[in-house]
Amino acid sequence: DMKVTQMPRYLIKRMGENVLLECGQDMSHETMYWYRQDPGLGLQLIYISYDVDSNSEGDIPKGYRVSRKKREHFSLILDSAKTNQTSVYFCASRKRQDYAEQFFGPGTRLTVL
Amino acid sequence: QQQVRQSPQSLTVWEGETAILNCSYEDSTFNYFPWYQQFPGEGPALLISIRSVSDKKEDGRFTIFFNKREKKLSLHITDSQPGDSATYFCAANRVGYKLTFGTGTSLLVDP
Repeated sequence: DMKVTQMPRYLIKRMGENVLLECGQDMSHETMYWYRQDPGLGLQLIYISYDVDSNSEGDIPKGYRVSRKKREHFSLILDSAKTNQTSVYFCASRKRQDYAEQFFGPGTRLTVL
Repeated sequence: QQQVRQSPQSLTVWEGETAILNCSYEDSTFNYFPWYQQFPGEGPALLISIRSVSDKKEDGRFTIFFNKREKKLSLHITDSQPGDSATYFCAANRVGYKLTFGTGTSLLVDP
């Protein structure tokens, strides 16, 4: 079953707390992504991971870090969350080949109070 | 600078009509253009895509028209159905590089 999963689906945190968002995929895809989606801004790329321990910054990496210790698992960490990090976060994965489709998870809605 | 632009921001059509969603891009090296469909509460999913060597790609009621010279493309949804109501994202990249997404068009199909 080709699937990208995200946990938790909803999360409320207070400003200054640490946040851990988890993503898993069962397709053995090498490449994984974290995006955030805000109204009117579309999907903004936070980080890319090309494989285990091979991560690169995307377009808006500030305030975020990632961890990928297993190919099927990719974490997004917010150290000391800020209110402007309130958003919907999507994880995606794709096989490392030309024109390969990105598969997205269902998203995590994060609210930072 | 927005590399991929979409218009209109929102669109309402009657059931059975053709919806036309527009997309333009800046980078002339882009050669792959997928369209993603997103329903509320879900992640985006690939709908249809086109490579720059083609000027048209058809998949059922969904057709992409591509104009390389003008750096424009459009998604036509014929015989629109209420189940097509969703947000549609145009994306673009040069193969091997990251995808750049547009800001989306929200489509509502009135029954």
